[in-house]
Order: sequence, then structure tokens, then C-alpha cells
Amino acid sequence: DVQLVESGGGLVPPGGSLRLSCTASGFTFNSHSMNWVRQAPGKGLEWVSSIDGTSGYIYYGDSVRGRFTVSRDNPKNSLYLQLNSLRADDTAVYYCAREDVNWAYGMDVWGQGTTVTVSS
Amino acid sequence: QAGLTQPPSVSKDLRQTATLTCTGNSNNVGNQGAAWLQQHQGHPPKLLSYRNNKRPSGISERFSASKSGDTASLTITGLQPEDEADYYCSAWDTSRSAWVFGGGTKLTVL
Repeated sequence: DVQLVESGGGLVPPGGSLRLSCTASGFTFNSHSMNWVRQAPGKGLEWVSSIDGTSGYIYYGDSVRGRFTVSRDNPKNSLYLQLNSLRADDTAVYYCAREDVNWAYGMDVWGQGTTVTVSS
Repeated sequence: QAGLTQPPSVSKDLRQTATLTCTGNSNNVGNQGAAWLQQHQGHPPKLLSYRNNKRPSGISERFSASKSGDTASLTITGLQPEDEADYYCSAWDTSRSAWVFGGGTKLTVL
């Protein structure tokens, strides 16, 4: 089965750091761009970052650029998100999402999400 | 980033047809099309339609997507209780090099 499993969420104080991981299975990981999308409590979806299959193209949303870093390890079928300088408004469920092999066609596989809470 | 515009809520009767809209501009929906996602409370989103208006495998034919200019639409026919969910549109914005999402439409099936 095609599957994405996120981990690494937790409670962190403002200004702290966290590293999220997403482990993929059931498909050829390096053939797909991957995304992080977050959802604050009671709010809609917000795109965070994208990385293509070779890590040659990396993009960030305005609210996280300069604080978050996306990376991937294809031999390990893993996607990562390093979160630094965390703020209260970064509190959200963070989803890992696969893009269809046709670039920008849509995010066709989603993980269950990992919760990040920024609070003192 | 400014997102795509969706009506916050839509209510329709059981077995009726609902059409949800998503308005962007020429940098996103207009030239890229929009993908549609469904999210039930407490669950991750699920892709209903790719930006070329094709359905992924396993998605009911009751869901169909289309586009006219800068506005994308998702039509759901024969509404069922399980269709009650939040619906999001998404598109790649070529001017920002970023994915943009709509704010979501909460569909209530009466």
C-alpha cells in the first residue's frame, strides 16, 4: 500500500526547534515531489514547502521562509522539515503530502499528520 | 500568501446537486487549473480531482470538476450524508512559485 507516516511533532517553547520526518512506502519515492502542508486548529490548509525528487527545486511559503528547511533522503524514502525559531502561530497539524508524478497536478497521497504545539 | 477564494459554507438537501466554486487569477487557477480535496473532521485531506479535472482511482463519478477562466468548480451529484465535509481547492501559482489553497467550503447535507 502507498503510505506516508509523519513523526517528530510535540510541544516546544517559542523560539525552539523541532525536526519532522515523513517516511514513505509503497511507491518510487524519488519520482515524486513532496510537500509539507499544515493546518492550524480549526483553520484551513496552508502550504509550507515543496521539494522535487532530486532536491534541485525547493520552495517555501512566505510565513516560514528563512525559519524552516525542507530536505529529503531518497535511499531512506524519507522527507524532513526542520522547524527553527518557532512561534505560537506555527502551532498546527503538519501533513506530508505526495505530488502526482505529473508536476503540480495535485497532492494525491497524504499522511495522517503530526501535531506541533508551540507554547511556553 | 493570498489564497484562492471559496465560499465558507454551502448547504444542500440529500440527493440534490452541489456546486462549489474556487476563484483565483491568471497566475494560478487561470493557467494551471485547480485540484480539489475533501477533508472529513479529524482526518487528513483526500484528493478528489487533479488539476486537469481527472479523478484519481477510486473516486466516485458523482464528483466532477471543471474550470472557466479563473474560476474552478466542483460538482457533487446525488448528495449523500458522507459527502458532508470540508472541501479545498489548490493550485500552483506560477508568479509566486508556491501552492495556494482556498480557505475551504464546509458542505452541509440537509
